[in-house]
Amino acid sequence: EPEVTQTPSHQVTQMGQEVILRCVPISNHLYFYWYRQILGQKVEFLVSFYNNEISEKSEIFDDQFSVERPDGSNFTLKIRSTKLEDSAMYFCASSGQGANYGYTFGSGTRLTVV
Amino acid sequence: GESVGLHLPTLSVQEGDNSIINCAYSNSASDYFIWYKQESGKGPQFIIDIRSNMDKRQGQRVTVLLNKTVKHLSLQIAATQPGDSAVYFCAEIATGNQFYFGTGTSLTVIP
Repeated sequence: EPEVTQTPSHQVTQMGQEVILRCVPISNHLYFYWYRQILGQKVEFLVSFYNNEISEKSEIFDDQFSVERPDGSNFTLKIRSTKLEDSAMYFCASSGQGANYGYTFGSGTRLTVV
Repeated sequence: GESVGLHLPTLSVQEGDNSIINCAYSNSASDYFIWYKQESGKGPQFIIDIRSNMDKRQGQRVTVLLNKTVKHLSLQIAATQPGDSAVYFCAEIATGNQFYFGTGTSLTVIP
């Protein structure tokens, strides 16, 4: 079964450092997403990406965050200057022609900011 | 904004019994719903979905019921097994492609 792959599984970084979280979506999917889940809380939408541009973003996704699809397979989330409160699980997801088509999540990257 | 919530944060059932997990949503414009299962340290795993033009959908051992009148969604798991122990989330989409998740119900299956 096709999978969304995320690397690394766990990232520890110092406050103020930049981090890049990487995702390989399902190959024929067109929509890409990042969500985050702070420990013990619900999964929250960050951003969706389609046709090489951001299509939606939440108020969490401020100027510290950016996304990129640098090549035909990777989808990245960059946090420019990490804060302690950025510590969370970050999930990448992808879907086919829209949300109703095979919306699949990766296993997540646990980001710990110290 | 949208609000998706769960009635019970925890649920314990005996192995072999049926489980029912409930979810309330507030946006009457929501037209697509998914139940996800999340095991410790893993991402949300799709269980079953339902569109707003349906009120029931069945999968393997799972059934989702949608009551649009009271904006309520439920997940029924038949013959619950230890491997079903996880946190279960409902998620909804109203417009666009972003899901709104509930806070989750932790299901524990007692052998």
